[in-house]
Amino acid sequence: DGGITQSPKYLFRKEGQNVTLSCEQNLNHDAMYWYRQDPGQGLRLIYYSQIVNDFQKGDIAEGYSVSREKKESFPLTVTSAQKNPTAFYLCASSNDLTTEAFFGQGTRLTVV
Amino acid sequence: AQKVTQAQTEISVVEKEDVTLDCVYETRDTTYYLFWYKQPPSGELVFLIRRNSFDEQNEISGRYSWNFQKSTSSFNFTITASQVVDSAVYFCALSKNYGGATNKLIFGTGTLLAVQP
Repeated sequence: DGGITQSPKYLFRKEGQNVTLSCEQNLNHDAMYWYRQDPGQGLRLIYYSQIVNDFQKGDIAEGYSVSREKKESFPLTVTSAQKNPTAFYLCASSNDLTTEAFFGQGTRLTVV
Repeated sequence: AQKVTQAQTEISVVEKEDVTLDCVYETRDTTYYLFWYKQPPSGELVFLIRRNSFDEQNEISGRYSWNFQKSTSSFNFTITASQVVDSAVYFCALSKNYGGATNKLIFGTGTLLAVQP
């Protein structure tokens, strides 16, 4: 089945550690996105990528990094510079024929 | 600046009641898109509808209907004869298509709908 796969579903990080969240899509979409969701808030855009080897900062990129080496993959690294990393992270993708974005099931990151 | 406001934080209804979720948006763009997404307890966002700024026709899909009014910058969502399975957080979102594949969504804060049996 086509879709977006995020892993892991739950992730625990110690303070000071970097962690990488995986996002893979088999929808042949060009664009991919990372959003962060905090309780009681809407989603906020972290990074997005329109094409392989290119990505742009969103509204809250500080403390995060991404790569886009393959069309299917858009991993997000939460670095130790991110002061409040505990949140629900959602990956999405869309193509240039439609404007609706399709979302993965999310990764819940908790700093312990 | 672009902004989406969902003033209703939580709504609770009894099964079979009709319920309307409000969405008001702000944008200076003439071409834009509006969306509704559903987020069930499992967490993923489920796409419900997309509407472009040139299409003000109301749309009905089964028990769901959407009312888009540019004059009031609103894009309201009505569920008729609500069911327990409709319980979820509903997000309204706004985007501008930059002519390519890039499509950044601006989300409202969501409305938690609880449908009681």
